[in-house]
Amino acid sequence: AQTVTQSQPEMSVQEAETVTLSCTYDTSESDYYLFWYKQPPSRQMILVIRQEAYKQQNATENRFSVNFQKAAKSFSLKISDSQLGDAAMYFCAYNNNDMRFGAGTRLTVKP
Amino acid sequence: EADIYQTPRYLVIGTGKKITLECSQTMGHDKMYWYQQDPGMELHLIHYSYGVNSTEKGDLSSESTVSRIRTEHFPLTLESARPSHTSQYLCASSDGHQNTGELFFGEGSRLTVL
Repeated sequence: AQTVTQSQPEMSVQEAETVTLSCTYDTSESDYYLFWYKQPPSRQMILVIRQEAYKQQNATENRFSVNFQKAAKSFSLKISDSQLGDAAMYFCAYNNNDMRFGAGTRLTVKP
Repeated sequence: EADIYQTPRYLVIGTGKKITLECSQTMGHDKMYWYQQDPGMELHLIHYSYGVNSTEKGDLSSESTVSRIRTEHFPLTLESARPSHTSQYLCASSDGHQNTGELFFGEGSRLTVL
């Protein structure tokens, strides 16, 4: 079974600084999708960024980028120029016909 | 914003009551899911459906039941609520024709059983 591990239950970053959230996964598949989802307090879970495993180029969405290391099965999320609105739970997810989520990382942004 | 809606958003009920949490999506997605999530904790898949008249149990054992009579509607029912059912329930959907499997989530239903 595929598993997703987020080893950082909580992270903190100063406003305008950069933070990296870690995620590793376990799979024997070669073709799959990886996601980072954001869940603000009492609000809807939304997609932050998506990576296709067959693409070597790291995905980027504005201030959000990933470091995808397929051989190491690592998929970290980098948030640049952190803003107060980035404070949320972040979930890493793996999908190959069956979506699996990590336990989440709570990100605090300090003004 | 995703077109997936959950009602009620918040519900406080007494033990033994029957409740139904509603979930509807207007995207025509064939796949729908229910996750249970304690505040600030991980998501646990409790039910899913790959189409009309198709329902399956997820990884986490749950005393709830679901039905999928229409593509857009995936209600979850608890016949007799207990305090252990207190949690947040998230509904999600995805387009099975898209390889990505990206999930679109509702805003959640927060249930408290006294």
